[in-house]
Amino acid sequence: GQQVMQIPQYQHVQEGEDFTTYCNSSTTLSNIQWYKQRPGGHPVFLIQLVKSGEVKKQKRLTFQFGEAKKNSSLHITATQTTDVGTYFCADFYNNNDMRFGAGTRLTVKP
Amino acid sequence: DGGITQSPKYLFRKEGQNVTLSCEQNLNHDAMYWYRQDPGQGLRLIYYSQIVNDFQKGDIAEGYSVSREKKESFPLTVTSAQKNPTAFYLCASSIPGRGYTFGSGTRLTVV
Repeated sequence: GQQVMQIPQYQHVQEGEDFTTYCNSSTTLSNIQWYKQRPGGHPVFLIQLVKSGEVKKQKRLTFQFGEAKKNSSLHITATQTTDVGTYFCADFYNNNDMRFGAGTRLTVKP
Repeated sequence: DGGITQSPKYLFRKEGQNVTLSCEQNLNHDAMYWYRQDPGQGLRLIYYSQIVNDFQKGDIAEGYSVSREKKESFPLTVTSAQKNPTAFYLCASSIPGRGYTFGSGTRLTVV
């Protein structure tokens, strides 16, 4: 299956700073989903992007799907300590199967 | 509330022992999945099932087995053939085109 590469692997920010994680593929992505996993917890679905160039917002979170559908990003404005966790992107691969990126672990210093 | 229940939360396995992880959902989802997560890493697919009495191998199926006799249940057996079973195991379910709903996971440790 196609690889979904996520960068950076780790990100440490001061509370109030912005944060961005990127999801890249060498081939066209089908649908992109984003998940958040709190430390010690399980992944929780955040959002799905389907269309080329799509942008969706959830409060301080902005999700984008690239025009060529080969990349996606999640941007958090003015991070808070509650944003701590690992953010995963995932691409639908085949028959409802999904391929997850390795995740970006975000830590926030108060 | 609907959801996915995984049990036990923690499980210890002796060398050469088979263990079974439970996954039950009351979401009426057709598709169910088992993922393995190692520390600091992403999720790797072990098995998935699109419908009752049918399941498919994922990327790392060796040393694992599953069954899907009921829509609500998708148990995973970690056999003695799995040489490095210590990991966090996550069960999920979904309907087509929607995000996955994950259970709270089982942490398996070999002792």
